[in-house]
Amino acid sequence: NAGVTQTPKFQVLKTGQSMTLQCAQDMNHEYMSWYRQDPGMGLRLIHYSVGAGITDQGEVPNGYNVSRSTTEDFPLRLLSAAPSQTSVYFCASSYSWRTYEQYFGPGTRLTVT
Amino acid sequence: RKEVEQDPGPFNVPEGATVAFNCTYSNSASQSFFWYRQDCRKEPKLLMSVYSSGNEDGRFTAQLNRASQYISLLIRDSKLSDSATYLCVVNSRGSSNTGKLIFGQGTTLQVKP
Repeated sequence: NAGVTQTPKFQVLKTGQSMTLQCAQDMNHEYMSWYRQDPGMGLRLIHYSVGAGITDQGEVPNGYNVSRSTTEDFPLRLLSAAPSQTSVYFCASSYSWRTYEQYFGPGTRLTVT
Repeated sequence: RKEVEQDPGPFNVPEGATVAFNCTYSNSASQSFFWYRQDCRKEPKLLMSVYSSGNEDGRFTAQLNRASQYISLLIRDSKLSDSATYLCVVNSRGSSNTGKLIFGQGTTLQVKP
């Protein structure tokens, strides 16, 4: 049981490049989400999903796309990287959005130059 | 106004002190409340859920005041190992009538010997 895994752990991109951050969970969790964390800003919700085929926007969705074709995977796509997207990205999952504990992956540290 | 607000601190306290953190939320329809702990450069982990009647887990006490839309966390007999950032988390209903979890910006606690 690996929990929530994220790849890569570190990434450096040039402005304008695109990439996909991978997130997978093996706990059969219904709810998955992506956050970014910047100094002094706490965690801000980018996108979330309450099940396969269902996604919704969070607080800061611009510049990011998601899809949820399977229960296990929830990739985050950066369409055209900008320096403002330099951040630490966390993926999380939980049994349900209502009351259950969220489990976080170890994070991806992204730098856009 | 942010949906979930916390005093970022930092709170610097001596070992053995009692310290309290507060959190306010703006969505009166919120149903679930949590405190998470985040160590430096690590992923957040659930500390405790917050129930309407208040709840205690060892040295930690969480309280909820729905009328004032206010959550608190009390730490008694602080230990050096309590040094971390404490995140208030509230669930909220999204635009597609599904749920999302919103994090406060976190309160940093530093316990000194």
